[in-house]
Amino acid sequence: QVQLQESGPGLVKPSQTLSLTCTVSGGSTSYGSYFWSWIRQPAGKGLEWIGRIYTSGNTYYNPSLKRRATVSLDQSKNQVSLKLTSATAADTAVYFCARGSENLDPYYYYMDVWGKGTTVTVSS
Amino acid sequence: EIVLTQSPVSLSVTPGEPASISCRSSQSLLHNNNQNYVDWFLQKPGQSPQLLIYLGSFRASGVPDRFSGSGSGTDFTLEISRVEADDVGTYYCMQALQAPETFGPGTKVDIK
Repeated sequence: QVQLQESGPGLVKPSQTLSLTCTVSGGSTSYGSYFWSWIRQPAGKGLEWIGRIYTSGNTYYNPSLKRRATVSLDQSKNQVSLKLTSATAADTAVYFCARGSENLDPYYYYMDVWGKGTTVTVSS
Repeated sequence: EIVLTQSPVSLSVTPGEPASISCRSSQSLLHNNNQNYVDWFLQKPGQSPQLLIYLGSFRASGVPDRFSGSGSGTDFTLEISRVEADDVGTYYCMQALQAPETFGPGTKVDIK
C-alpha cells in the first residue's frame, strides 16, 4: 500500500525558500502512470492546489504563485520535492502531497493517496 | 480560473438520515469526452482529504455505496443516503477541467 510522508522545516523566515520533501513508500516515483501534487491549506481555511509533476517529468503550476513554486522528483530516493521561493506569511499552511493515479476507462487522473501533511509557519 | 461554490456552508444531520451537498461551477465542467471533471473529497477532522467521487459520479475504491455523485455542466450534488457518525468532516468539490485545479470552499457536516 502506497504511503506518502511530508517533511521539512516547520519554521521558515520571510523572503527565504520554503523546501519540503514527500517520501513515497510502497510504490515508485519512477514507474507507472502517476502524477505527484502539492496542495496546501492555511489553518481553518480551504485547499489550494500548488502544482504537480508526472513520472515523465512534465510539470504544471498554479499561476497565482507567480512562478515561485518548483516541484521536482528525486527518483533515486523515491521523493517528490517542493520549493517555494520568497516566502511570506501568506505561505503559512499545512502542506499535503498527493498521488494522482491514471484511470483508463474513462480516461482520467484522480488524487487517491494523500500524505498526512506538514505544517509550515513563515515568521521571523 | 474556475470558481466553485458550495452550499450549504454547514449541515447538521441525524444519523440514518440523508444529506445533500451542492457544488456549482462558474464554467461548465463537461469535457469534450462527455465526462464531468469534478471530484469530491472528505476531510475528516485532523486528517488529510480522501477521495470519495471522481468524474462527478464514479465512487472511488473502498467508498461505501451510501455516497453518490450526480450532476452535469455547472451543477453537481454529493448525496449521502444514510449518514453515519464516521461521515463527519468537511466535504470539498474540486474541478480538474482547467488548470489550475480549484476547490470549493467546503461544507462542514456534523452529527446532531
